[in-house]
Amino acid sequence: DAGITQSPRHKVTETGTPVTLRCHQTENHRYMYWYRQDPGHGLRLIHYSYGVKDTDKGEVSDGYSVSRSKTEDFLLTLESATSSQTSVYFCAISDQWGSNQPQHFGDGTRLSIL
Amino acid sequence: DQQVKQNSPSLSVQEGRISILNCDYTNSMFDYFLWYKKYPAEGPTFLISISSIKDKNEDGRFTVFLNKSAKHLSLHIVPSQPGDSAVYFCAARGYSSKNEKLTFGTGTRLTIIP
Repeated sequence: DAGITQSPRHKVTETGTPVTLRCHQTENHRYMYWYRQDPGHGLRLIHYSYGVKDTDKGEVSDGYSVSRSKTEDFLLTLESATSSQTSVYFCAISDQWGSNQPQHFGDGTRLSIL
Repeated sequence: DQQVKQNSPSLSVQEGRISILNCDYTNSMFDYFLWYKKYPAEGPTFLISISSIKDKNEDGRFTVFLNKSAKHLSLHIVPSQPGDSAVYFCAARGYSSKNEKLTFGTGTRLTIIP
């Protein structure tokens, strides 16, 4: 299994509070991704990183920010959580852009915003 | 606008028979297609993939077929086993200016009946 650890695995918090999810990899892969999974939507890309301090938006980036200060860690922050951000969040990593190597996923963080 | 569609939310198959999961896409620029398998409380795990220059790829009990003219791919599992019960996502790869991008379908829940 790819060495990807997401923390926390579960979190319950209140509307308006800040939340940070962490993705840690031991594979030294360049590319890291944050997705959310919701019923009826599959997995949707929030943000991704193509190197240290290099990030870009995905298709559902509103209300989220990310940071990558070192290769192994990719943080996803909800500045002021809303109930619509209740979801399961997955981190993924990949090694080469455009190669036929698949993205590998962590086991997810289940986030509930009350 | 959903570019990757899995029109069957669920499928039940008798153990030992063939399972066929279908996926349709609309973007002719997709160049690589993947199937992921997901168990509850775990992240998606890569199963099998196919390049757009091929029409078939086989790996043990799993075969993926690609029909580019119809923009359709399918995953065949034969023989089906109880451990195959999971949610299956198809994904298609496109590109932004800085990175490859996977677009996922909404998933099909496969149940293998012993």
